[in-house]
Amino acid sequence: GDSVTQMEGPVTLSEEAFLTINCTYTATGYPSLFWYVQYPGEGLQLLLKATKADDKGSNKGFEATYRKETTSFHLEKGSVQVSDSAVYFCALSSSGNYGQNFVFGPGTRLSVLP
Amino acid sequence: GAGVSQSPSNKVTEKGKDVELRCDPISGHTALYWYRQSLGQGLEFLIYFQGNSAPDKSGLPSDRFSAERTGGSVSTLTIQRTQQEDSAVYLCASSLGAAEGETQYFGPGTRLLVL
Repeated sequence: GDSVTQMEGPVTLSEEAFLTINCTYTATGYPSLFWYVQYPGEGLQLLLKATKADDKGSNKGFEATYRKETTSFHLEKGSVQVSDSAVYFCALSSSGNYGQNFVFGPGTRLSVLP
Repeated sequence: GAGVSQSPSNKVTEKGKDVELRCDPISGHTALYWYRQSLGQGLEFLIYFQGNSAPDKSGLPSDRFSAERTGGSVSTLTIQRTQQEDSAVYLCASSLGAAEGETQYFGPGTRLLVL
């Protein structure tokens, strides 16, 4: 079945550091790819998405590029802020027997220190 | 209301009791999903509704769990004879349709604690 693998956390960075959170997937066909973010005490919210190969999703300074050849969708940000501290979930959406099949990775906790 | 709402936000219950969790999706969204998030874990898919029907119940962990959706809108997730291992955050999400690539919008969750 489809699956998503993320780098183990927690990730601790200093403010203004460069961030990469790795995400790779296994799926039949060509899924859509998502990054969701969960801030402390809040629900999950969409950060960015890409629906086809070579697409780049971007939002709030975060970027991720859909790489079909490496089945990856790594999340990057050039300069993190304390307010970026959250749990980040990589996810894929593919066509299943019953409609959309949504699979989430285990999440990566990011802590940004001032 | 613009977003997905869930109630109650917190629920404490005794082992063996039944609980009902409610989800109000975004108006016009035909697809509705329930997930469970245990402490420090990722999201575990429970059940998916398209309209009022639930074509995919594959994620329900046992027959103590059931869900329904009426009028293509509000959904309730019922857990009978709760156990301590049911303690988790129960998340509801909705999407406009069920096509591949549709964004899911999440509610704030119901935090369930079974004593």
